[in-house]
Amino acid sequence: AQSVTQLDSQVPVFEEAPVELRCNYSSSVSVYLFWYVQYPNQGLQLLLKYLSGSTLVKGINGFEAEFNKSQTSFHLRKPSVHISDTAEYFCAVSDPPNFGNEKLTFGTGTRLTIIP
Amino acid sequence: DGGITQSPKYLFRKEGQNVTLSCEQNLNHDAMYWYRQDPGQGLRLIYYSQIVNDFQKGDIAEGYSVSREKKESFPLTVTSAQKNPTAFYLCASSISRTGMETQYFGPGTRLLVL
Repeated sequence: AQSVTQLDSQVPVFEEAPVELRCNYSSSVSVYLFWYVQYPNQGLQLLLKYLSGSTLVKGINGFEAEFNKSQTSFHLRKPSVHISDTAEYFCAVSDPPNFGNEKLTFGTGTRLTIIP
Repeated sequence: DGGITQSPKYLFRKEGQNVTLSCEQNLNHDAMYWYRQDPGQGLRLIYYSQIVNDFQKGDIAEGYSVSREKKESFPLTVTSAQKNPTAFYLCASSISRTGMETQYFGPGTRLLVL
């Protein structure tokens, strides 16, 4: 079964500083990778996703992520964070069709807190 | 505006009571999902449906039931068999269920036990 590891449960960052949220997954086959964001007491919304092609994926709100197959990682980055980026971030993975597990498996989340 | 609505926002359950959480979407999506979110555990899949009148168990289906009589609606019933129902419940939908599709989430229902 797929698993996703988000190594940091909480990340405090000063406003306008860069941030990296780490995500590693367990799979030796091709996968689809996602980052979702959850603002307090709300549902999740998609930040970005990797399906194939370029390993650097750009998303909304200035976020980007890089797919690294050899390290089975999909870390999320932003060069300069804003107060409004305070939220919980979830990494998720699914298998392509016919690999038997198209469901989305989520990591445990990283709570990003921006310090003014 | 297209989207997913969940009601109620907060729900209280007494011991031995069944309660039903509503989920409606007007995105014309075929696939719908129910997740349970507990602090520090991420999201876990309860049930999913790929088409009307069809649904499958997810990872933690015990103590829950669903129906999919209409494309727009996917209600979740938390039965008295679910011994630890306190959690945040999220409904989601996607165009289909191929693994690559973006899932769109509702605002969630927080269930508390009295």
